[in-house]
Amino acid sequence: QKEVEQNSGPLSVPEGAIASLNCTYSDRGSQSFFWYRQYSGKSPELIMSIYSNGDKEDGRFTAQLNKASQYVSLLIRDSQPSDSATYLCAVNRSGGSNYKLTFGKGTLLTVNP
Amino acid sequence: SQTIHQWPATLVQPVGSPLSLECTVEGTSNPNLYWYRQAAGRGLQLLFYSVGIGQISSEVPQNLSASRPQDRQFILSSKKLLLSDSGFYLCAWTPLGGINQPQHFGDGTRLSIL
Repeated sequence: QKEVEQNSGPLSVPEGAIASLNCTYSDRGSQSFFWYRQYSGKSPELIMSIYSNGDKEDGRFTAQLNKASQYVSLLIRDSQPSDSATYLCAVNRSGGSNYKLTFGKGTLLTVNP
Repeated sequence: SQTIHQWPATLVQPVGSPLSLECTVEGTSNPNLYWYRQAAGRGLQLLFYSVGIGQISSEVPQNLSASRPQDRQFILSSKKLLLSDSGFYLCAWTPLGGINQPQHFGDGTRLSIL
């Protein structure tokens, strides 16, 4: 069973700080990687996609991918209280199931005013 | 633009009762469709997926079934609900093929079994 591992948290950061969220995956054949944000009681919302090694920036969010280390991270700069949510890492499965995703259990982020 | 609808938003059902949850997608054709369950404090578990009308694959053995009677309609059903069926049920879609595509979720149905 291919797995995606995340620290469950909670990760607590002060407002304006950088929040760093990490994810490791076991399927070496995975090609696409996603970060979702899930507010309490709501459905997951896609915030970042990354497919190549390196960094990808979108506003205050930066996704980082290292396929050799099987590691994906999400940095949130200038964290705001509205960023308080659970962040889910998702990785596509390799081979004939590459249209399916495996999700981590999520990291709960709390941004303190 | 594409939108996904799920209903009902919340549901309270007694043990042993039947279940029908519906999901529809607008603004696209031939999507891949997925049903997930998220139990309290746990991750997203893929229950069923469909790559076309009438084509359903089950990810895990369970008390539930799924059907896809129309291209953009996906239904999750049960004949007799168990206490363990409680959870947050999410429908998701990707474009045709879905390879390396993110999945987009509906608002979900929160199901409580009494």
